[in-house]
Amino acid sequence: DTAVSQTPKYLVTQMGNDKSIKCEQNLGHDTMYWYKQDSKKFLKIMFSYNNKELIINETVPNRFSPKSPDKAHLNLHINSLELGDSAVYFCASSQGTGEAEPQHFGDGTRLSIL
Amino acid sequence: GEDVEQSLFLSVREGDSSVINCTYTDSSSTYLYWYKQEPGAGLQLLTYIFSNMDMKQDQRLTVLLNKKDKHLSLRIADTQTGDSAIYFCAEILYGNNRLAFGKGNQVVVIP
Repeated sequence: DTAVSQTPKYLVTQMGNDKSIKCEQNLGHDTMYWYKQDSKKFLKIMFSYNNKELIINETVPNRFSPKSPDKAHLNLHINSLELGDSAVYFCASSQGTGEAEPQHFGDGTRLSIL
Repeated sequence: GEDVEQSLFLSVREGDSSVINCTYTDSSSTYLYWYKQEPGAGLQLLTYIFSNMDMKQDQRLTVLLNKKDKHLSLRIADTQTGDSAIYFCAEILYGNNRLAFGKGNQVVVIP
């Protein structure tokens, strides 16, 4: 059983389109995250939600809008896609927000903008 | 601030030990993690160490932490071909659940 699952795994689309990536975790965790990994494999946090409330919002263009309908789901909607949005987006979850709570990652969504 | 540095590439023969190094700049980090990323896959948590520890051993993995030098290392004993991956160190700061990742170190195991 997959603990943190993301869909789709691959997403190829044209510049200017709007797309969504979905994430679900079945670990019973309270906190979920979105990370972006660029072409050089550098990973940076984008957002974090705890019990459906936004707790981290890094400097991310407002074209990116996370939505958490419940604590097991954290979706990422991206408007007006740009070439620079091409990356791998990882969802993660942890039991809480404490330092000792390891984060568990999904397999990533590979987004390619044409 | 948060700044985690890692070297880039390591080639090692199967059966040998491999050591991956990482330095960090924020002394308030409480937990330091090692994650493994296999090709086309997500990040798998390998191990972590609390900042008041110097060493942690977990089967073939040994983590060493030098707080004075802000240096973290991961030693993999008896490296296997399945260990070929990118390894990321990451730190989490006190009172903060942001994980700050290093740039990753690609390990290639030669049969």
